[in-house]
Amino acid sequence: DGGITQSPKYLFRKEGQNVTLSCEQNLNHDAMYWYRQDPGQGLRLIYYSQIVNDFQKGDIAEGYSVSREKKESFPLTVTSAQKNPTAFYLCASTTRTGGAWNTEAFFGQGTRLTVV
Amino acid sequence: GQSLEQPSEVTAVEGAIVQINCTYQTSGFYGLSWYQQHDGGAPTFLSYNALDGLEETGRFSSFLSRSDSYGYLLLQELQMKDSASYFCAVRDQDFNKFYFGSGTKLNVKP
Repeated sequence: DGGITQSPKYLFRKEGQNVTLSCEQNLNHDAMYWYRQDPGQGLRLIYYSQIVNDFQKGDIAEGYSVSREKKESFPLTVTSAQKNPTAFYLCASTTRTGGAWNTEAFFGQGTRLTVV
Repeated sequence: GQSLEQPSEVTAVEGAIVQINCTYQTSGFYGLSWYQQHDGGAPTFLSYNALDGLEETGRFSSFLSRSDSYGYLLLQELQMKDSASYFCAVRDQDFNKFYFGSGTKLNVKP
């Protein structure tokens, strides 16, 4: 079955450490996204990528980094510079049909990161 | 920039009809989408309106008025499993970014 896989489901980080969240998709989608969700809040865009080896900052990119070396993979690193990293992180993807971007985004099951 | 506003919480009883509103301010509008998210889960796509009017998909319907910058999601014959958060979303066509509202938590009671 095609889909988006995020791992791990739960992640604990000590203050001052960098951690990397994995996102892999086998949907052959061109665009991938990372969102952060805080309790009772909406989704805020961290980074997005429309093509391999290219990515752009979203609204809350400070303290995060990404790479897009393969079409199917878009890992997110939460660095020690991120002051309040405890949150639920969601990866999403979409693609084009006939040259136009689709309106539907597909999401992974998320990674819950807790700083201890 | 993009701004979407939704009520934070709505409560309804099983079998009833509920409407979740969304007002938006966007620079370039390319349609309004709705997503459902159960606690701790992934958001899943429900519907999309590019043009004014009502789109129906089973028990769920979505409405858009571009002149009013307003849309709503209508859920009929509510079931307990409909208890979830519902998000409206718009897409920035130029940069293909999705923007989401803060979400409406729907509580369905027996």
